[in-house]
Amino acid sequence: AQSVSQHNHHVILSEAASLELGCNYSYGGTVNLFWYVQYPGQHLQLLLKYFSGDPLVKGIKGFEAEFIKSKFSFNLRKPSVQWSDTAEYFCAVNEGNAGNMLTFGGGTRLMVKP
Amino acid sequence: ETGVTQSPTHLIKTRGQQVTLRCSSQSGHNTVSWYQQALGQGPQFIFQYYREEENGRGNFPPRFSGLQFPNYSSELNVNALELDDSALYLCASSFDSNEQFFGPGTRLTVL
Repeated sequence: AQSVSQHNHHVILSEAASLELGCNYSYGGTVNLFWYVQYPGQHLQLLLKYFSGDPLVKGIKGFEAEFIKSKFSFNLRKPSVQWSDTAEYFCAVNEGNAGNMLTFGGGTRLMVKP
Repeated sequence: ETGVTQSPTHLIKTRGQQVTLRCSSQSGHNTVSWYQQALGQGPQFIFQYYREEENGRGNFPPRFSGLQFPNYSSELNVNALELDDSALYLCASSFDSNEQFFGPGTRLTVL
């Protein structure tokens, strides 16, 4: 069974700081990759996804992620965070031949100080 | 608004009891997946239903069971509740294997 690791459990940043959240997965075959965000009191929402093609994926709200196959990584980045980015972020992986069932990482709780 | 709704919002049960959680999928979706999110952890896949049939199952015991109805809504049933079943239960719907849309979840507390 595959696993997904998010190494940063809690991140605290000041507004305008740059953000990079790490995500590594264990499956060696074809994968689809996702980042979800959960704002306080809200449901999980899709930030961005990678299926194939350009490994640099742009999502909503200025987020982007880069798929590096050789490193089994899909790190999330944002050049300048805002207070409204305070949320929990989850990386998720779907094996290419497993429908759309997702394996999630443990999540990273981001707090942005105004 | 994703259109996926879940009921109830919160639920308190005691050990050994049974519980049924409900999910209404987004209009046009035919696939429902259930996830368990324990406190401080990421969601874990329980099972998926596609056109009323179980279409995949995660590492959960048989006392976790489900149903999908002709209108594609779904139920998650848990028998013989244990303390460790306390969690947020998330439902996600999709059309076939496309993007999943998540509901707000049901918070289950087992005492």
